[in-house]
Order: sequence, then C-alpha cells, then structure tokens
Amino acid sequence: DAGVTQSPTHLIKTRGQHVTLRCSPISGHKSVSWYQQVLGQGPQFIFQYYEKEERGRGNFPDRFSARQFPNYSSELNVNALLLGDSALYLCASSPAGAYNSPLHFGNGTRLTVT
Amino acid sequence: AQRVTQPEKLLSVFKGAPVELKCNYSYSGSPELFWYVQYSRQRLQLLLRHISRESIKGFTADLNKGETSFHLKKPFAQEEDSAMYYCALRLGQAGTALIFGKGTTLSVSS
Repeated sequence: DAGVTQSPTHLIKTRGQHVTLRCSPISGHKSVSWYQQVLGQGPQFIFQYYEKEERGRGNFPDRFSARQFPNYSSELNVNALLLGDSALYLCASSPAGAYNSPLHFGNGTRLTVT
Repeated sequence: AQRVTQPEKLLSVFKGAPVELKCNYSYSGSPELFWYVQYSRQRLQLLLRHISRESIKGFTADLNKGETSFHLKKPFAQEEDSAMYYCALRLGQAGTALIFGKGTTLSVSS
C-alpha cells in the first residue's frame, strides 16, 4: 500500500505568486479532500472532491481552487499568495464520498510564503 | 458555531498511569466523532471513531451527548503512546469535512 502521496514535500513562494499542490490517492479511492494546517492548530477543511465533482468547500477565499482528474488524483491551486497561506497542506483520500469512510492522510506539502 | 475544543495542549504522564485526553464539541445536530493520532515522523491516522465502539491499542472513547464530550481514555499508558492526538467532528452527513481540535501532545515517560 503506497498510501496517499503528495508533491512537492516542501515549497517556498513569494507573496502574490500562485502555487499548485498535487495529490495521488490510494488506489481504488475515489474521494480526495484537502486540509490546511497552520502551526499549532488542527487541520482545517478546504475542499472535498468525489468522482471529479466538488462535494464540499470550507471557509476559504476564492483564491483557493481545486480539481480532480479522471484517475482521481487532485490538484490544489492557490492564487495571489499571502503570508498567511504558509502552512502544511494535507491531502486525504477515502474509498467513498461520505458516511463511514475513514480518511487516509498523506504526509503533506509544507508551503512557505515569503 | 460548530467547534471542537481540546483544553490541554500537553499531557505528561508516567508509564503505567491512566490517561484521559479531553475533547468537547459544540454542535446541535447528530455528530460523528473521531480521534486521530500522529506519531513522530508519521502521517496523521485514524485511531478510533465513536460509531465503532471499539478499543484500539487499549484506547476507548465514549460519546456523551449530554456533556457534549468524547474523551479518549487508556487505563495504563505506554511509552509508544507518545504522540499528538486530535479530536475531530463530522457534521451529520457532511462528507469528509471534519472539524479538528487544536490537538493534545501526550508524553509518556518511564
């Protein structure tokens, strides 16, 4: 079991730039969720995608967007980066889209905005 | 507003001592509660969830709707239990959107 894989592991960007983070779910998992974890806080929900459709969105500005591809991998895009976007971005996959589907997390992408 | 509160940032106990990690939630509907754990240099992983009513690695947690709590307990702590523990709340049938607490670091020393 390769687990959920995320790339890159670390990233440094400048304010105003945009960034794309990538996630490959566990084989057979059709749902991908994105979370932001700021230092000292628990993960905060950003998006859920299931079968390539957005199924949920957290309280994040429109600068954040995501998509899911036919192979169920996913990208998270953040435009016009702010210093406050510096965080660990976690991707999680699950077999189905909702109830009784435990989340399997990746190791995350550490984004630093300077 | 929906919220998960873990009042202790750090809990330090000796090996063999009982452990209770506190979690309180704020939600008027039908909640689903989880405990996630992150061991050093490992990814966040599910420890247990209230609907399963199971004991994992000696840990149990009971949902108390009257007190809106979901405390994690273990009668005898082991050094390998040292980790960061997060309580999380799923709202009704809100898919995979979880609300996490800030986490409690459990440190077990010999």
